[in-house]
Amino acid sequence: DIVLTQSPALAVSLEQRATISCKTSQNVDNYGISYMHWYQQKPGQQPKLLIYEGSNLASGIPARFSGSGSGTDFTLTIDPVEADDIATYYCQQSKDYPFTFGSGTKLEIK
Amino acid sequence: EVQLVESGGGLVKPGSSLKLSCVASGFTFSSYGMHWIRQAPKKGLEWIALIYYDSSNKYYADSVKGRFTISRDNSKNTLYLEMNSLRSEDTAMYYCAKGQLRDYWGQGVMVTVSS
Repeated sequence: DIVLTQSPALAVSLEQRATISCKTSQNVDNYGISYMHWYQQKPGQQPKLLIYEGSNLASGIPARFSGSGSGTDFTLTIDPVEADDIATYYCQQSKDYPFTFGSGTKLEIK
Repeated sequence: EVQLVESGGGLVKPGSSLKLSCVASGFTFSSYGMHWIRQAPKKGLEWIALIYYDSSNKYYADSVKGRFTISRDNSKNTLYLEMNSLRSEDTAMYYCAKGQLRDYWGQGVMVTVSS
C-alpha cells in the first residue's frame, strides 16, 4: 500500500501563509497526472474536496487554497489563512488501490 | 443540488451484520463510481471500498476484504455496504462519497460494534 505522511499539526497566524505537506512512499503520478487530492474536514462535518489531481481547485473553493507538487512530494497552501480555515486537512492518493489517506494535519491559529 | 444520505447504522454486537444504504440525488447516479470511507472516533479517514458505475469492478481495503460487500442499485439511486462479522475496530462514522474525485460526501452514519 502507498503510505502518505503528514505532520500532525501546524500553527499559523491569521492572514499568514500555511503550508501543509504530504509525502508518499511511492510515486503517485501517471501519464502527467498527479493522483493526489486534498480534503478539509471541520469538527462534526464531513470532508470537503479542496484540490484534485495535485493542483486543480475544486468547484466553489476560494483561490486562497492551492496545491502543488508531483511524484512523492505534495503541498497544500492556504494564503492568507482565515479563521474559517481552522480544520484538519487530509491528502489522499488514487493512483493505486487501496486509495490511502494521510493521517491529517490539524491547522491551528497562533 | 447533489445530496448523499446514509442510513442503517446503529449499535451491534461483535460478530453480527449490518447493511448501510446511501441514497443519492441531484446527479446521474448511474454514471459515477461510488466509495465508502470511514472514520473511527477521533481518528483519520480510511477508504474502504469502491464500486464502478456499472458494478463491473469492486475494490476493497484489506481491513474489510472478505467481510464487507459494496453494491448498488442504479434504478433506486442507492449504494449499499453489507458488513458481516463485525469487530470492535469497525466502530466508525461511515461516509459514502461520489465519483472519481470524491467531490461530494454524505453526512455519515455511525456504526458502533460493542458487546
